[in-house]
Amino acid sequence: GENVEQHPSTLSVQEGDSAVIKCTYSDSASNYFPWYKQELGKRPQLIIDIRSNVGEKKDQRIAVTLNKTAKHFSLHITETQPEDSAVYFCAARPYSGNTPLVFGKGTRLSVIA
Amino acid sequence: GAVVSQHPSRVICKSGTSVKIECRSLDFQATTMFWYRQFPKKSLMLMATSNEGSKATYEQGVEKDKFLINHASLTLSTLTVTSAHPEDSSFYICSARLAGGGTGELFFGEGSRLTVL
Repeated sequence: GENVEQHPSTLSVQEGDSAVIKCTYSDSASNYFPWYKQELGKRPQLIIDIRSNVGEKKDQRIAVTLNKTAKHFSLHITETQPEDSAVYFCAARPYSGNTPLVFGKGTRLSVIA
Repeated sequence: GAVVSQHPSRVICKSGTSVKIECRSLDFQATTMFWYRQFPKKSLMLMATSNEGSKATYEQGVEKDKFLINHASLTLSTLTVTSAHPEDSSFYICSARLAGGGTGELFFGEGSRLTVL
């Protein structure tokens, strides 16, 4: 089955700096890669996702890149703000069918004002 | 986006009792729902896949007799923790995907924090 590794587990950045979180996956059949943000005590919320037919996707300050050959994908947050502080999870799964998402272990991002 | 509602949000029970958690898709039909468990400061661990009208598929290591899942309709799945023990204390989150796949996005419920005394 799929195995998703996520690094780093914790990340502290100064407000305004960029943050990068990296994930690798093992199943070459996976073609859907979402990123979720979870604030303390709340449900995970999708912030961006990418499918394997594209290499990069951007939404304002957030971007995701995918290298399907190397089986890794990354989340980039630019101009970080204190409200970006949360736990971020990457995930992977084959897009077709009802297979579940397999999550990475999460990265706790702290943006220091 | 689609809305998934989970109830109760918090529950405290005594050891040996059973607790039922409901997961509802409010504005869409979900043939499949997923139940995750999350320990403090840990990732989301898939427990089981709930299929409407059929038996749930459990992940390795998850006791099906302890965590009973019922998906009786296209909008409701329930997780019952039977004979609860303190080690069952955790944050349980359900999620659902639009029937037919949609965009592939998974929508999460608010989560239920179970504390077993």
